[in-house]
Amino acid sequence: NAGVTQTPKFQVLKTGQSMTLQCAQDMNHEYMSWYRQDPGMGLRLIHYSVGAGITDQGEVPNGYNVSRSTTEDFPLRLLSAAPSQTSVYFCASRPRQGPGTQYFGPGTRLLVL
Amino acid sequence: GDSVTQMEGPVTLSEEAFLTINCSYTATGYPSLFWYVQYPGEGLQLLLKATKADDKGSNKGFEATYRKETTSFHLEKGSVQVSDSAVYFCALSKTENQGGKLIFGQGTELSVKP
Repeated sequence: NAGVTQTPKFQVLKTGQSMTLQCAQDMNHEYMSWYRQDPGMGLRLIHYSVGAGITDQGEVPNGYNVSRSTTEDFPLRLLSAAPSQTSVYFCASRPRQGPGTQYFGPGTRLLVL
Repeated sequence: GDSVTQMEGPVTLSEEAFLTINCSYTATGYPSLFWYVQYPGEGLQLLLKATKADDKGSNKGFEATYRKETTSFHLEKGSVQVSDSAVYFCALSKTENQGGKLIFGQGTELSVKP
């Protein structure tokens, strides 16, 4: 199993540009989430999904969209990038049952100029 | 709301020293508690977990005990190695909340010198 994969690893955007961060998992997990990591703040939840066709907002959803058309994929879209979205983005997945262990991808480092 | 507070870093230790990283939490109900580790340039990996009071999680020489009476989940290791240098995150999860989202502490950077 590849686990959770993310692309790209690194991206530079100009303010106002849009892009999609890709996330895929091959563990057949029902739940998937996007977090952002900023210095001194730990990780914060952006959006999450409890199954194909079902998504909802986390703590910091503004400026981001998600969709979940399949169990495997959970892309994150930046609609109009802003410097405040410079961060490291992690995708995670977990099975519905169990103690809540989440499995993280390697991250995407995004720089918005 | 629910929250996690970790001891501030960075923490610098010599090889073979004893490690404690403090973690306290505030939560209603019965959360599961986790320690994740992030090595330089990598994603987060689960280090250990505990799902109920008095449970002890352990892995790779690290241990943490779920103390409900003191709302704590401190991470310990008896003898650290240079390869333990990383950022350590304490987190809690409640299955019924937002897809079982993890609520993280701010992270504690550990540097182990030879």
